[in-house]
Amino acid sequence: QSVLTQPPSVSAAPGQKVTISCSGSTSNIGNNDVSWYQQLPGTPPKLLIYENTKRPTRIPDRFSGSRSGTSATLGITGLQTGDEAEYFCATWDTSLDVRVWVFGGGTNLTVL
Amino acid sequence: QVQLVQSGAEVKKPGASVRISCGASGYSFTNFPIHWVRQAPGQRLQWVGWINTALGKTVYSQNLQDRVTFSRDTSTNTAYMELRGLRSEDTAIYYCFRLYYNAAWDWGQGTPVTVSS
Repeated sequence: QSVLTQPPSVSAAPGQKVTISCSGSTSNIGNNDVSWYQQLPGTPPKLLIYENTKRPTRIPDRFSGSRSGTSATLGITGLQTGDEAEYFCATWDTSLDVRVWVFGGGTNLTVL
Repeated sequence: QVQLVQSGAEVKKPGASVRISCGASGYSFTNFPIHWVRQAPGQRLQWVGWINTALGKTVYSQNLQDRVTFSRDTSTNTAYMELRGLRSEDTAIYYCFRLYYNAAWDWGQGTPVTVSS
């Protein structure tokens, strides 16, 4: 069972907008920066969002991130078929004596 | 540009050990920690731990700490992960990544490990 909870799947039509939630607690999202990743089948994950809202320069502005309290959200606008992938959130968790890195369970995006 | 290049696929028998390498280039190796994660078929990513590449200090996930060891060679800018006492449930793709701005900024290509008798 993942420390960070994501919906298993979301779907939307091409050109539409979709949001993916990531729910945690004060020991993780509430006090640590969240990052988001896209993983296409058979490839390593790719960083989309870091420090809750920032995008690496290579990531288009169709991708956005936000954080409020113990939850974070990834938004994707202007959906394309190439956006079909697994998306997951990650952050540090400090509920144990040491910091551990935790991932969300992943959300499968289908572009209908 | 930054690259993390991992060693190739491994097939091991139960009880054996595996050692995976993660060679870094394009940045100052000792300035950034290297993390290890694994992904079993159809499963979510599982964090294995991380190594401070400057000091060699390590942190392991609780469920693997008795069987895993990280090391690094600063002369070749390479990080290593050794997993002992392999079990079928250790079958997974193992990834290394560089932590930067508290995010997994750059990833290795992954090393598939299959544990089968």
